[in-house]
Amino acid sequence: AQSVTQLGSHVSVSEGALVLLRCNYSSSVPPYLFWYVQYPNQGLQLLLKYTSAATLVKGINGFEAEFKKSETSFHLTKPSAHMSDAAEYFCAVSDRGGGATNKLIFGTGTLLAVQP
Amino acid sequence: KAGVTQTPRYLIKTRGQQVTLSCSPISGHRSVSWYQQTPGQGLQFLFEYFSETQRNKGNFPGRFSGRQFSNSRSEMNVSTLELGDSALYLCASSLVAEGNTIYFGEGSWLTVV
Repeated sequence: AQSVTQLGSHVSVSEGALVLLRCNYSSSVPPYLFWYVQYPNQGLQLLLKYTSAATLVKGINGFEAEFKKSETSFHLTKPSAHMSDAAEYFCAVSDRGGGATNKLIFGTGTLLAVQP
Repeated sequence: KAGVTQTPRYLIKTRGQQVTLSCSPISGHRSVSWYQQTPGQGLQFLFEYFSETQRNKGNFPGRFSGRQFSNSRSEMNVSTLELGDSALYLCASSLVAEGNTIYFGEGSWLTVV
């Protein structure tokens, strides 16, 4: 069964600093991996996804993530944090164990705070 | 192109009542799934519908049910509401194939009192 672990429920960075949000996955088959962002009182917005094309995936708002099979990781990074990046970030893996499905398994989320 | 639309956005129900939430997927999307988000349990998959058939189901009691119509619109119903059902209910839609981008709506905030 697929699963996702997000290390660090809260991360705080200074404006302009590097953002690094960690995600490790467990999957018995090649995974489809996603990062979503959730702003207060809103739904989930897709930042980027990995579906076995390029291992370095570029997303919206300057975010990118690198798929590392050897480390079973899919960490999210952004070179320079902006105040508007403050939100909760979720890593997710597509559950591919039960046939055709679009079921996502989410991590517990990382709340990113950006200090001025 | 309109996104995933959920109604109502906010509602308050009394314990023991039932509630129906509605979701209109992005045009052309035939897969619709539902998630429950709570502070304690996080984001949990409820069920997925494709072509009016439930394709996958999460680990929730039978009080939680759903359906999909021929136009891909979906509804979910929760009967005999409990205080613990208070949550943000998110609907998501996607194209048919696995690995396609899954788009979420803004959610329906349910408070059970």
